[in-house]
Amino acid sequence: QQQVKQSPQSLIVQKGGISIINCAYENTAFDYFPWYQQFPGKGPALLIAIRPDVSEKKEGRFTISFNKSAKQFSLHIMDSQPGDSATYFCAASISSNTGKLIFGQGTTLQVKP
Amino acid sequence: DAEITQSPRHKITETGRQVTLACHQTWNHNNMFWYRQDLGHGLRLIHYSYGVQDTNKGEVSDGYSVSRSNTEDLPLTLESAASSQTSVYFCASSARGEGYEQYFGPGTRLTVT
Repeated sequence: QQQVKQSPQSLIVQKGGISIINCAYENTAFDYFPWYQQFPGKGPALLIAIRPDVSEKKEGRFTISFNKSAKQFSLHIMDSQPGDSATYFCAASISSNTGKLIFGQGTTLQVKP
Repeated sequence: DAEITQSPRHKITETGRQVTLACHQTWNHNNMFWYRQDLGHGLRLIHYSYGVQDTNKGEVSDGYSVSRSNTEDLPLTLESAASSQTSVYFCASSARGEGYEQYFGPGTRLTVT
């Protein structure tokens, strides 16, 4: 029930294409869903986050789509660039349970020029 | 600028030895976390702390311990290192009430031979 399942494990996209990473969860108590981006040799950094009271959140080329009934959410990277090549982690949290994040398994994205 | 640092960045140790990984943050955050990152498993929570003298076990706490004597530091100790503990370890911190936005350190790559 505490798991967050992420797919695909790896993804190769051409420059200018759309990258899509999917996550699914079971625990309906989760009420905060962030995405973290990690470049090689660095720690993860918060990219974008959403709460279940909205179905979509967009920040620049990055969009989270949220389907509460299906217990799924996804990250879309529009116009993907080589600089977006990184590992992406989805996560889930119960906001009243301060600070604890359950992370997905990670997706390694490679954007080819 | 505030930051979170980890030391050492790389460590090779032998099976059975005690190892301590340091984590120091200057954000003045109450919440601190230790994760391990392994391919296919994402980030798994080892221990976490919500303040001085507070420590809690995470998902994969066996063989690890932490102590919190001040706000800035949360050292992670491997009591008797095992080959299964070869991993990349990340420390993170977050402000009280904003646990979902965690700031990560650069990581420590630990190899147990």
